Amino acid sequence: DAMVIQNPRYQVTQFGKPVTLSCSQTLNHNVMYWYQQKSSQAPKLLFHYYDKDFNNEADTPDNFQSRRPNTSFCFLDIRSPGLGDAAMYLCATSRDLQTYEQYFGPGTRLTVT
Amino acid sequence: AQSVTQLDSHVSVSEGTPVLLRCNYSSSYSPSLFWYVQHPNKGLQLLLKYTSAATLVKGINGFEAEFKKSETSFHLTKPSAHMSDAAEYFCVVSELYGGVTNKLIFGTGTLLAVQP
Repeated sequence: DAMVIQNPRYQVTQFGKPVTLSCSQTLNHNVMYWYQQKSSQAPKLLFHYYDKDFNNEADTPDNFQSRRPNTSFCFLDIRSPGLGDAAMYLCATSRDLQTYEQYFGPGTRLTVT
Repeated sequence: AQSVTQLDSHVSVSEGTPVLLRCNYSSSYSPSLFWYVQHPNKGLQLLLKYTSAATLVKGINGFEAEFKKSETSFHLTKPSAHMSDAAEYFCVVSELYGGVTNKLIFGTGTLLAVQP
C-alpha cells in the first residue's frame, strides 16, 4: 500500500545533541511537509518542500532544518535540541501545492533529556 | 485569513449514543473543510472532506459532516459511538496561501471519550 513512513517512531536525544528524523513516501507526491505537535495542541507547520524548493514558515526557529535528497525522502534536522523541542513530529505529503488533501505519517515522538 | 474554531475541547459520550463534535469556520470565500482523527501516539487520519460539492459529506467509520454556509459550521456527527472512536478530532480549513499554496489551518482539537 502506498503510504507515508516515519522512522524512528520514538527518538530520545540529549539536550544540545543534534538529531535527525526521517520520512519517506511511496505516493510519489511532489510536496512534503513537516509539522510539530506538542502535547494537547494542534499540529504546527514548520516547513514544506515542493519538489526541491524549500519553503520555511516565518516563525520556524533556525534550529530546525530540512533536507530532501530525492522525491521519496525528507529529513528533519534539529541542530541543538532544547527541552522545548520535545514533541510529536509529523510528516505529510500532498500531490501538489493546490491539492487540498494531505496524507500523514504515524509521527515520531521526540524526547529531549 | 481563514480560521476554524472547535467549540468543545472535551466531549464524553456513552457507547451506542450519538456523537456531535462542533466546528465553526471563518472564511472570506468558499472554503475546503476537513475532519482528521488522531488516536494516541498515532498520525492524523482523514475522516472526510468538503470541497464545494455535496453539503452532506460521508466519511469513514460511519462519520458524516454537514457544511452549512449560513451558519459557517461544519459539525461532525455519528449516530452511534463505538469504543474505538475515542480519539482526538481536528477540524481543518484549507487556506490558499500566497495565491498558490494550500495550507491547512487546524482547530485546537476535541478529545472524544467513549464510556462503556
